[in-house]
Amino acid sequence: GAGVSQSPRYKVAKRGQDVALRCDPISGHVSLFWYQQALGQGPEFLTYFQNEAQLDKSGLPSDRFFAERPEGSVSTLKIQRTQQEDSAVYLCASSWTSSAGELFFGEGSRLTVL
Amino acid sequence: GNSVTQMEGPVTLSEEAFLTINCTYTATGYPSLFWYVQYPGEGLQLLLKATKADDKGSNKGFEATYRKETTSFHLEKGSVQVSDSAVYFCALSVDTGGFKTIFGAGTRLFVKA
Repeated sequence: GAGVSQSPRYKVAKRGQDVALRCDPISGHVSLFWYQQALGQGPEFLTYFQNEAQLDKSGLPSDRFFAERPEGSVSTLKIQRTQQEDSAVYLCASSWTSSAGELFFGEGSRLTVL
Repeated sequence: GNSVTQMEGPVTLSEEAFLTINCTYTATGYPSLFWYVQYPGEGLQLLLKATKADDKGSNKGFEATYRKETTSFHLEKGSVQVSDSAVYFCALSVDTGGFKTIFGAGTRLFVKA
């Protein structure tokens, strides 16, 4: 596709449910990033992939959060046993380079945990 | 550690006013600096960037200069338009064994006609 695609755009989960958020980056982009954005705040780094390798997962808030990119393209962010504090917009971004460069963002997946 | 601090909003200006949004950073190493913009209902997009000291990034009438001595990257525009109303994020990217981009909290700009 022409841009970064994320699905679902909106997800409502009951506390304790597992959720999976999908990111389809721009074709050929090497790097893929996940961010969490709380209301009125800037994006907070969660994790980073270079191709299929997860190079940095220092931002994942707990072991309930897990991300994968098995074939170096589509990525999934999974949150197990969701809690209310997980409510946020989850942003995916990709980049054609493995060095500092422009990030192309999707429109985000808004997660609301009741 | 690595962090970005930008002025709190919202900033409200009249059309054709001069805009400054302050941004300072702390970084280990030599970062690249960015301004991203998020228009209502849209995703974040790159506005401009600078990769080394004294570089000036510019786009759509916006400018920012990489000032290493003051660790700053302030965003300026000489004459804002209603269409500039958006949230502006200052960011840095630094090598941590891969390049991680770190964002400020964002500054919301309202421009009145």
